[in-house]
Amino acid sequence: GENVEQHPSTLSVQEGDSAVIKCTYSDSASNYFPWYKQELGKRPQLIIDIRSNVGEKKDQRIAVTLNKTAKHFSLHITETQPEDSAVYFCAASPNTDKLIFGTGTRLQVFP
Amino acid sequence: DGGITQSPKYLFRKEGQNVTLSCEQNLNHDAMYWYRQDPGQGLRLIYYSQIVNDFQKGDIAEGYSVSREKKESFPLTVTSAQKNPTAFYLCASSVTRTYNEQFFGPGTRLTVL
Repeated sequence: GENVEQHPSTLSVQEGDSAVIKCTYSDSASNYFPWYKQELGKRPQLIIDIRSNVGEKKDQRIAVTLNKTAKHFSLHITETQPEDSAVYFCAASPNTDKLIFGTGTRLQVFP
Repeated sequence: DGGITQSPKYLFRKEGQNVTLSCEQNLNHDAMYWYRQDPGQGLRLIYYSQIVNDFQKGDIAEGYSVSREKKESFPLTVTSAQKNPTAFYLCASSVTRTYNEQFFGPGTRLTVL
């Protein structure tokens, strides 16, 4: 079945710097790749997603890139702010029924 | 944060007891999901349901059971057969089974005493 690996597990950056989180997936049939942000003690919330017919998608300071050949996708956060501190999860959908999540990246943004 | 709710927020269970976690949504979503979250791990799928009266096992279904008698409700029972049930449980829903955003509930933290 699908396996999603996520790196790094923790990431510390200075406010204003960029942060990049990378995920790889195993099932070439996966077509949908969302990213969720989970603040401490709160529910995961979708921040951006990308489908397999698109190579890149941006939403203000957040962007996601997808390389289907290499089977990896990345989250890019520019001009990081302290409120970006959270755990970020990537996921891949090997079929229409479910998502397979990565193990999460704890991002800390220091003022 | 309305739309999908879970209760209770915290739940304590003695070993050998079954407990049921509630998940309700008023979003008119067809699909509902249960995940387990452990420290340092991602969200692991327990069970999911694409339509009323139908559900499928996820990756870690052993020791759990579900029902989907109503579109808006998808309760999860943690049975005594689940050997390590202490975890954070998240319920989610999505519009349909196709590629759509999953909306999460606030979660239930289950602790076995």
